[in-house]
Amino acid sequence: QVQLVESGGGVVQSGRSLRLSCTASGFSFSNYAMHWVRQAPGKGLEWVAFISYDGNSKYYIDSVKGRFTVSRDDSKNALYLQMNSLGAGDTAVYYCARGPPYYDSGSYLDYWGQGALVTVSS
Amino acid sequence: SSELTQDPAVSVALGQTVRITCQGDSLRRYYASWYQQKPGQAPVLVMYGKNNRPSGIPDRFSGSGSGNTASLTITGAQAEDEADYYCNSRDSVGYQYVFGTGTKVTVL
Repeated sequence: QVQLVESGGGVVQSGRSLRLSCTASGFSFSNYAMHWVRQAPGKGLEWVAFISYDGNSKYYIDSVKGRFTVSRDDSKNALYLQMNSLGAGDTAVYYCARGPPYYDSGSYLDYWGQGALVTVSS
Repeated sequence: SSELTQDPAVSVALGQTVRITCQGDSLRRYYASWYQQKPGQAPVLVMYGKNNRPSGIPDRFSGSGSGNTASLTITGAQAEDEADYYCNSRDSVGYQYVFGTGTKVTVL
C-alpha cells in the first residue's frame, strides 16, 4: 500500500535551517509528482512546493521562494524540503503528498503522509 | 497569486444533503480537488477532476463545477462526515497551487 513518512521536523531557532525528508513506499516513486503542504497551528492548509516526476519542474508559494528548495532522490524513494532562513511564520505541520503520475495532467494530491511538526522559536 | 474562497462553516442534519462551494478565477480553467480533514489527522482526497471519487470514498460524495465555482455535495450526510473540507486547484497561471479557506461541516 502507498505510504509516505515525513521526518526531520523539530524545534529550530529563527534564521536557521532545517531539512525535511519524506520516504515513499508502495508505488513507483519516480513516476509521480510530489508536493509539500503545510498547516500552521489552528489554521488551514497551505500549499508550499511542487516537484515534477522527473525533477525538472519546481514551483513554490511566493512566501518561500528563495528560502526553500524541493528536491527528490528517486534511488532512495525520497522527497526533500530544504528550508533556510526560517521565521515564525514557517511554524507548521509539513505534509508530503503524492501528485498525479507523469501521464496524468490532473492536479490532485491523492496520498498524504502524517506530517512533521516544525516549530521556529525566537 | 489566485485565491479560492469557501464558506467558513455549514451544518447539516443527519441524513440530509449539504453542498460546499469553492470560488475562484482559476476554476474557470482548472478542476478543483477536495480534501476532508478530521482533527489531528492528515487530509484525505475525496473528489477530483470532473467528478471522480478515489477508491474507498462513499458514493454519497459528488462533485460539480460551473464557471468560477466548484461544489462538493454530500447526499445523506453521516456523522463521520463531520470534518473540515478544503478545495484545491492550480492557480490561474498554472505554476502554483492554492487551497481554499476551508469549510467546517457539522452534522447535527
